[in-house]
Amino acid sequence: AQSVTQLDSQVPVFEEAPVELRCNYSSSVSVYLFWYVQYPNQGLQLLLKYLSGSTLVESINGFEAEFNKSQTSFHLRKPSVHISDTAEYFCAVSDRVFGNEKLTFGTGTRLTIIP
Amino acid sequence: SQTIHQWPATLVQPVGSPLSLECTVEGTSNPNLYWYRQAAGRGLQLLFYSVGIGQISSEVPQNLSASRPQDRQFILSSKKLLLSDSGFYLCAWSLGLGEQYFGPGTRLTVT
Repeated sequence: AQSVTQLDSQVPVFEEAPVELRCNYSSSVSVYLFWYVQYPNQGLQLLLKYLSGSTLVESINGFEAEFNKSQTSFHLRKPSVHISDTAEYFCAVSDRVFGNEKLTFGTGTRLTIIP
Repeated sequence: SQTIHQWPATLVQPVGSPLSLECTVEGTSNPNLYWYRQAAGRGLQLLFYSVGIGQISSEVPQNLSASRPQDRQFILSSKKLLLSDSGFYLCAWSLGLGEQYFGPGTRLTVT
């Protein structure tokens, strides 16, 4: 069985400051990794994904995440946040081997940007 | 391009009333389909998923049911709603590489 841990339920950050949202997973098999963003009263949007290849993946709006296999982590970072980044962020994992029909989600991190 | 629709967007229903939420996907064939529930301030709970017409897997025993009458249509139902059924219901689709794409959601309030 897989699990995803997002240790920080809420992260307040000043505008233009850097941020890191932490994600750790446990799995007995190789995995695919994802970050989703949810704005208030909306569905989840895929922010970025790691399927294979380079362990550093980037999104179009300045976020990046690095897959660290030895630490089983997939932390999300942004060097300078904006007010518009205020949202809830979910880390998710699916396994490569036994079927990837399902995603296992973390409990989410609410990112609040302080002007 | 693919799009996913959910309706209604919001719903207020009394306890004991029936429920029907609909989800349709456009622009793809034979997708995997999913129903999630998100309670206030909580993460996502997978309720049902389907890898094909008539194939429904239930993740959590409860008074909800799901059906897939057509390839790109997924329906969530209940015969009698409970207060605990309140929440934000999300439909999603995927083509099996793990990544899922979500609809806009339905906010259900049971009174």
